[in-house]
Amino acid sequence: GESVGLHLPTLSVQEGDNSIINCAYSNSASDYFIWYKQESGKGPQFIIDIRSNMDKRQGQRVTVLLNKTVKHLSLQIAATQPGDSAVYFCAENTGSGDKLTFGTGTRLAVRP
Amino acid sequence: DAGVIQSPRHEVTEMGQEVTLRCKPISGHDYLFWYRQTMMRGLELLIYFNNNVPIDDSGMPEDRFSAKMPNASFSTLKIQPSEPRDSAVYFCASSLGGKNTEAFFGQGTRLTVV
Repeated sequence: GESVGLHLPTLSVQEGDNSIINCAYSNSASDYFIWYKQESGKGPQFIIDIRSNMDKRQGQRVTVLLNKTVKHLSLQIAATQPGDSAVYFCAENTGSGDKLTFGTGTRLAVRP
Repeated sequence: DAGVIQSPRHEVTEMGQEVTLRCKPISGHDYLFWYRQTMMRGLELLIYFNNNVPIDDSGMPEDRFSAKMPNASFSTLKIQPSEPRDSAVYFCASSLGGKNTEAFFGQGTRLTVV
């Protein structure tokens, strides 16, 4: 039969607009979360992290929001630029051991 | 630091051949992770080491896969014999601490088994 790959959701935004990328996690015991950016042909690159005792953290042009009640994580990118075009992954540490579990990713496409 | 260094960047091999992927972590990092990325399954953790000792290899798909870390600056992931379904991008990552610290990724090795 025909193999089916992961369907990556795609977010298309106009250059200069703000982007919001969402991630749902499943393990209520997760206590540390990271957003990674992966450009074509490269490895994932750290963007920002947040611990479970926080609900918001800001970096340069990026903000991560954590809602533990509904197990939801979001990444906000202000004034999106063409260089922001990539696949964005959320990753969680489930509290057991040292490993990160990655989500399936969201592709961000920036229209000029 | 040059970051995590992986070699080769690309590998094409025939089914049944042995493949060895190499990784040099960032100096001073105590943790090393091997991940595999495919369109079907996304980014999966295969195995990780702490201070050169394998801690969790539950993600290693089968006995054909093995990983070693003979010293703090070098690790290998070996597939023997290789199969077409092993075709993927394999990433190595390292981190300073394990829990609740970011992992830094290498550029990956794109493996194609024909």
